[in-house]
Amino acid sequence: NAGVTQTPKFRVLKTGQSMTLLCAQDMNHEYMYWYRQDPGMGLRLIHYSVGEGTTAKGEVPDGYNVSRLKKQNFLLGLESAAPSQTSVYFCASTYYNTGELFFGEGSRLTVL
Amino acid sequence: LAKTTQPISMDSYEGQEVNITCSHNNIATNDYITWYQQFPSQGPRFIIQGYKTKVTNEVASLFIPADRKSSTLSLPRVSLSDTAVYYCLGHRDDKIIFGKGTRLHILP
Repeated sequence: NAGVTQTPKFRVLKTGQSMTLLCAQDMNHEYMYWYRQDPGMGLRLIHYSVGEGTTAKGEVPDGYNVSRLKKQNFLLGLESAAPSQTSVYFCASTYYNTGELFFGEGSRLTVL
Repeated sequence: LAKTTQPISMDSYEGQEVNITCSHNNIATNDYITWYQQFPSQGPRFIIQGYKTKVTNEVASLFIPADRKSSTLSLPRVSLSDTAVYYCLGHRDDKIIFGKGTRLHILP
């Protein structure tokens, strides 16, 4: 039982490049979330999904897109990376929206 | 969406009981109150959740007064390994928003 797995764990991009972060969970959770955490700051919600085929905006959605084609996977895309998107990205999932969130280990992204 | 306010930082000593209070200014009837712990370079980890009165588990207690406008996380006999950031959340519907958290520093 792997829980929540994020891929890749580290990535360095140049300004303007694109990339996709993959979050996979094997707990059959309905709800999945993408957060970003800047140094010394709390987590900010980017996008979330309440089930397969659904997505919704969080607090800081600009510059990101997401997809939930399969229940177990939640993808976060950066179409044109900017230095302001340098951050640690965390994915989380839960079975119901008041339940315990299970987090991945994080993906550290640096945009030069 | 319920917004929360908690102290930015706290210091305590090993062996002490630590209480971190969070205010839930506009908590709604259906909101649960949840606390998470985060160590550096790790994702947050669930500590405890409650709706009202008192909840206790193997690591902490959560006190919620009758009006539910605040909650207090109590950590008994802290150790150096309890140094972390602690977040209180109020959540309802589908958005789960983390505040800035309380940075707890345990001193020897």
